[in-house]
Amino acid sequence: EIVLTQSPGTLSLSPGERATLSCRASQSVSSSYLAWYQQKPGQAPRLLIYGASSRATGIPDRFSGSGSGTDFTLTISRLEPEDFALYYCQQYGRSVTFGGGTKLEIK
Amino acid sequence: QVQLVQSGAEVREPGSSVQVACKASGGTFSTHGISWVRQAPGQGLEWMGGIVPIVGTVNYAQKFQDRATITADGSTSTAYMELSSLRSEDTAVYYCARGGQFWSGLSLKPNCFDPWGQGTLVTVSS
Repeated sequence: EIVLTQSPGTLSLSPGERATLSCRASQSVSSSYLAWYQQKPGQAPRLLIYGASSRATGIPDRFSGSGSGTDFTLTISRLEPEDFALYYCQQYGRSVTFGGGTKLEIK
Repeated sequence: QVQLVQSGAEVREPGSSVQVACKASGGTFSTHGISWVRQAPGQGLEWMGGIVPIVGTVNYAQKFQDRATITADGSTSTAYMELSSLRSEDTAVYYCARGGQFWSGLSLKPNCFDPWGQGTLVTVSS
C-alpha cells in the first residue's frame, strides 16, 4: 500500500499570504495519479487538482499543483478567506489511498 | 453534470448490517467507477472500495475485504455499499464518489474522485 504523508499537520497563515502544502509518498506514484481535495466543515470533499498539476473545472488559478514521483506540492498563491479548510492528497494509480490531511487555519 | 445523491442517515446496533445507496443522475453511469470513502468523527478520509458497473469489477481496501459488499444496478444508476458486523468504530460519514477507475473502451484506467455525494451518517450504538 502506498502511504501518503502530508505536512504540516496544521498551517497558520493570514489572508493574502502564500500557502505551500506537502504530500510525500512511500513509493513512486505512477503516471502522477495524484489529486488534491478541499474539505470544509460539514461538507463533502471537493476535487481541486488531478494528475498532480491539472486544475479541476471551476477551480481558481490561485490553486496550483506540482511534483512527481514521491514528492508533491499544493500551492495557494494568495489566500482568500474561503480557502481556510482541510486539504487532502490522494493517490489513485495503485489502489487508492489518502494522506492524513493538512488543516489550513487563519492566523 | 453528474450528481450523486445518497440515502439518509442510519442508526444500527452492533453486530448488524447497514446498506447505503448512491444514485447518479446527469451523466454516464456504467462506464465510470463509483467508490466509497468513509470519515470517522474528526478523522481523515478512508477509501473502502469501488465498482465499475460496465465490467462488474469490484476492488476493496484490505481492511474492508471481509465486511463490505459493493454492488451497482445499472437500470437505476444506483450503487450500494453494505457493511456487516458493525461495531462502534464504524460510526462515520460514508461518501460515494464517481471515480477510482473508468472503462476507456479497451481497459480500466485510474480516475480521481469527482463529484462526491453529500454523505450518509451511520451511527452504530446499542
